Amino acid sequence: KAGVTQTPRYLIKTRGQQVTLSCSPISGHRSVSWYQQTPGQGLQFLFEYFSETQRNKGNFPGRFSGRQFSNSRSEMNVSTLELGDSALYLCASSLRADGETQYFGPGTRLLVL
Amino acid sequence: GENVEQHPSTLSVQEGDSAVIKCTYSDSASNYFPWYKQELGKRPQLIIDIRSNVGEKKDQRIAVTLNKTAKHFSLHITETQPEDSAVYFCAASRDGQNFVFGPGTRLSVLP
Repeated sequence: KAGVTQTPRYLIKTRGQQVTLSCSPISGHRSVSWYQQTPGQGLQFLFEYFSETQRNKGNFPGRFSGRQFSNSRSEMNVSTLELGDSALYLCASSLRADGETQYFGPGTRLLVL
Repeated sequence: GENVEQHPSTLSVQEGDSAVIKCTYSDSASNYFPWYKQELGKRPQLIIDIRSNVGEKKDQRIAVTLNKTAKHFSLHITETQPEDSAVYFCAASRDGQNFVFGPGTRLSVLP
């Protein structure tokens, strides 16, 4: 089976712009979670989707949003980008309905100038 | 909310020696504890996980132990090899939701 894929792999944006990142889970996986990874804050949970519904949300501002489609693919959007949003954004998918046993994608590296 | 601490932040061992990384968590309701290995420039990879109804789990050279009373769990790597060099992250969650990760341990295996 193909692993979790994310597009694009790299992005450069300027402050104030918005960005949309995409994640395709492993075939059959219905749970998709998003994480932000930075050297200072480590891996932080953004949100999790299951069957097109946001099931959990981390402590991030409303500028961060997401959605999941009927084929389990998920998108994450960040509006009004700030310099501090520069990070590696990782998504992870799980076959289990409870979200355990997550497999990560390669990530999208976002640089905000 | 849940808080996960991880120690040490860096660890150097000689090839063939054992390595132990320890994590503590704060939420006694957490019941699922995975460990991830992340090599430089690569994605985190699940290497082993444990659920709260089990005290120990082993997979070849890797083992994880869980002490629910003390709220800590540890990763043990035996017979370390240079390819074990990476950053290791522990995490805790309740029912697979809202994962909280430790800050990571950079393991260096010296030849």
